Amino acid sequence: QPVLTQPPSASGTPGQRVTISCSGTGSNIGVNGVIWYQQIPGTAPRVLIYSNNQRPSGVPDRFSGSESGTSASLAISGLQSEDEADYFCSVWHFGLRGVVFGGGTRLTVL
Amino acid sequence: EVNLLESGGGLVQPGGSLRLSCAASGFTFNNYAMNWVRQAPGKGLEWVSSISGADYSTYYADSVKGRFTISRDNSKNTVFLLMSSLRAEDTAVYLCAKSFGLGVSTSIESWGQGTLVNVSS
Repeated sequence: QPVLTQPPSASGTPGQRVTISCSGTGSNIGVNGVIWYQQIPGTAPRVLIYSNNQRPSGVPDRFSGSESGTSASLAISGLQSEDEADYFCSVWHFGLRGVVFGGGTRLTVL
Repeated sequence: EVNLLESGGGLVQPGGSLRLSCAASGFTFNNYAMNWVRQAPGKGLEWVSSISGADYSTYYADSVKGRFTISRDNSKNTVFLLMSSLRAEDTAVYLCAKSFGLGVSTSIESWGQGTLVNVSS
């Protein structure tokens, strides 16, 4: 079982705002910054958000991240068809001395 | 532009060994920790191993500890993953990944496309 818990699926219509949650513990989220990755099937993951809420250059500002206690969230506003992908949260786990991932959320744009 | 090119994957029998390589370019290799992550067909991401860019400290997932060895050659900008005593459950695409910084706890910033390892008789 993944250390971080994500809903397996999410959906929305074009233009809508959707959020994806990521739940952890005090040994991971809350200690180190959460990373969010987008993976379009058949391609490598790419960073959408790092350090809980920072966007790399080139990532649209429709994507935003937040963190509170032992949970983190990814929000996508103005949903577009090309946002249909798998989304993973991740963080360094100091107790396990390794990277941990959420199980992933498959986002469907209806 | 960061470029990570994995090689060495293939079909191997249970109990066999395989060495993966990842050739890196587009950044100062010895300034960054490197990682291997795997993804079984239709499944999520599973961290396998990391190596720091400073003191070459290594870290392993429990599922591969004692069977896999990560190493790096900074003179060749390459990171390796030596896999032995392979099992069917090791079947996956293995992705090489660059960390945000020198230490492994800075997490993963960039990814390669991966190389497929198929453990089957």
